[in-house]
Amino acid sequence: GQQLNQSPQSMFIQEGEDVSMNCTSSSIFNTWLWYKQDPGEGPVLLIALYKAGELTSNGRLTAQFGITRKDSFLNISASIPSDVGIYFCAGPQQGASKLTFGTGTRLQVTL
Amino acid sequence: EAGVAQSPRYKIIEKRQSVAFWCNPISGHATLYWYQQILGQGPKLLIQFQNNGVVDDSQLPKDRFSAERLKGVDSTLKIQPAKLEDSAVYLCASSLDGWGLAGGRTDTQYFGPGTRLTVL
Repeated sequence: GQQLNQSPQSMFIQEGEDVSMNCTSSSIFNTWLWYKQDPGEGPVLLIALYKAGELTSNGRLTAQFGITRKDSFLNISASIPSDVGIYFCAGPQQGASKLTFGTGTRLQVTL
Repeated sequence: EAGVAQSPRYKIIEKRQSVAFWCNPISGHATLYWYQQILGQGPKLLIQFQNNGVVDDSQLPKDRFSAERLKGVDSTLKIQPAKLEDSAVYLCASSLDGWGLAGGRTDTQYFGPGTRLTVL
């Protein structure tokens, strides 16, 4: 089935640094969602994007819906220890009703 | 508001045994989802219910997996018999309405903590 590829696979950064990650697909998506999953918990929605080119912020998080509709980007500014977790992109393919999740980016923040 | 409840949180069984997971969605949520998350991967949808009807079960291995939501509230997912490759976290999620049913916009899916299944 359709797969969303995320990069990088994992990141080790220092507290205070900015983080960038992206998600790419070979198919067009009408919506991009970014989730965060803490250890032992289910994913929690961070940001939802609905239009190509859209740029949306949620606190220190900013996400963008790529112009080609085949990619999306998530930036975290001034990272803090609680940003640790796995970040997933997700979305329904054009014409599909169910969500496809990406492969995830694991973020580790060191003090 | 209480979140999505799942039980048990952990389960260890031997291959060929049976296992069942339970999910209680957020009160009033019409749509319920079961996902399988294999270690190192994103969640994969197994089945989606709208009230007590199945909307999508295209990725459910129906020879061994079954799910029901008889009264349109809580749900059970069963595996019988289990295989080694079924080891994963099984996540339940619910949403007020289903994706695509509210003018094309997704309705936020709220996830439970999951059940971690280990098949030996």
